[in-house]
Amino acid sequence: EAGVVQSPRYKIIEKKQPVAFWCNPISGHNTLYWYRQNLGQGPELLIRYENEEAVDDSQLPKDRFSAERLKGVDSTLKIQPAELGDSAVYLCASTPFGWSGAFFGQGTRLTVV
Amino acid sequence: GIQVEQSPPDLILQEGANSTLRCNFSDSVNNLQWFHQNPWGQLINLFYIPSGTKQNGRLSATTVATERYSLLYISSSQTTDSGVYFCAARDDKIIFGKGTRLHILP
Repeated sequence: EAGVVQSPRYKIIEKKQPVAFWCNPISGHNTLYWYRQNLGQGPELLIRYENEEAVDDSQLPKDRFSAERLKGVDSTLKIQPAELGDSAVYLCASTPFGWSGAFFGQGTRLTVV
Repeated sequence: GIQVEQSPPDLILQEGANSTLRCNFSDSVNNLQWFHQNPWGQLINLFYIPSGTKQNGRLSATTVATERYSLLYISSSQTTDSGVYFCAARDDKIIFGKGTRLHILP
């Protein structure tokens, strides 16, 4: 069984540029999460989807961040425009219905210069 | 919401030593996981352990939900065990502690 797949693995962009991250969750997992992890910290939730519905986006900076999960499968997280403080690792996770643990992708390490 | 606290924040041990990492949570939880974050940043599932004890090789974990804590044991540490260990509890969202940074010296 394939795990959670994220791309790209690394991204370096100049500030004010847009960037997008992609996540393909484990097949059949209905819940999808996007987390941001700053250096030396634990991951913090940005947005949670139940199928295609964003049920918790309270921590998503909506002035510059957007996300979508079309058809309740793949998801895209976008930042426009990026700021220096957005440099972090962006992690995607999925869990099955009934929840027996979360599975994380390899993450995307974003550097904004 | 749930608060998750991990201790110690940092741990340096000699190869071969045993270690115990602790996770306290502020409210009753039905779901608790331990992760190891490798040097490349990926969170590797170690245990899904809402209660009881599980073992996997040199690693084992115990959660006492009624007392709101979980312990991760690493026996006969190896240098490859180095990294950051996170526990996470599920409210509606998955809430992480700040992690224990483990460094195993050869």
